Amino acid sequence: RKEVEQDPGPFNVPEGATVAFNCTYSNSASQSFFWYRQDCRKEPKLLMSVYSSGNEDGRFTAQLNRASQYISLLIRDSKLSDSATYLCVVNTHLSVRGNQFYFGTGTSLTVIP
Amino acid sequence: ETGVTQTPRHLVMGMTNKKSLKCEQHLGHNAMYWYKQSAKKPLELMFVYSLEERVENNSVPSRFSPECPNSSHLFLHLHTLQPEDSALYLCASSQDRASSYNEQFFGPGTRLTVL
Repeated sequence: RKEVEQDPGPFNVPEGATVAFNCTYSNSASQSFFWYRQDCRKEPKLLMSVYSSGNEDGRFTAQLNRASQYISLLIRDSKLSDSATYLCVVNTHLSVRGNQFYFGTGTSLTVIP
Repeated sequence: ETGVTQTPRHLVMGMTNKKSLKCEQHLGHNAMYWYKQSAKKPLELMFVYSLEERVENNSVPSRFSPECPNSSHLFLHLHTLQPEDSALYLCASSQDRASSYNEQFFGPGTRLTVL
């Protein structure tokens, strides 16, 4: 089983729509969670960190459900500029190897005019 | 400059060439990482350095050789690569590896093509 799993999409939504992505992780000991945004042929950039039950930043809301081991990202009032790939990242502390970052394959979003 | 920088941004090399990728972070971080990103695949962790000591080598072929002369600089030396090594190579840094609550910050990457 993969450490982090995401629906690859693609998600094609009209401007102004609300869209949600889910991400599941396999290790219940995972402690911190991140959403990164990656534009085509660019590096991943941190969008949000999720340490407790959730985090909100403007149109973006991330929620964490530890019992079900999933993280979600909600984007409200989608803009054309939101078109990108969204990476789910999980940080897990392994007793021998220390903290490890695990990346999902990413979910592709295209916002259509 | 701020953040994490990488040079060169693009590199085309033959299988017999030797080249080096450079990464520099201006964030005062103590941990640095090399990742490989191939099309349609998640980021693959290659090497981790913490306080200039290599703490992880994820079964990377010996044709990739990392070097970390200080906490701000990280190199990836390349020799006798294969066409399947063509990918985006990303450098990242984080404050340290002790805390679970440290984000990673990425450089712009080097897009490598091996002919």
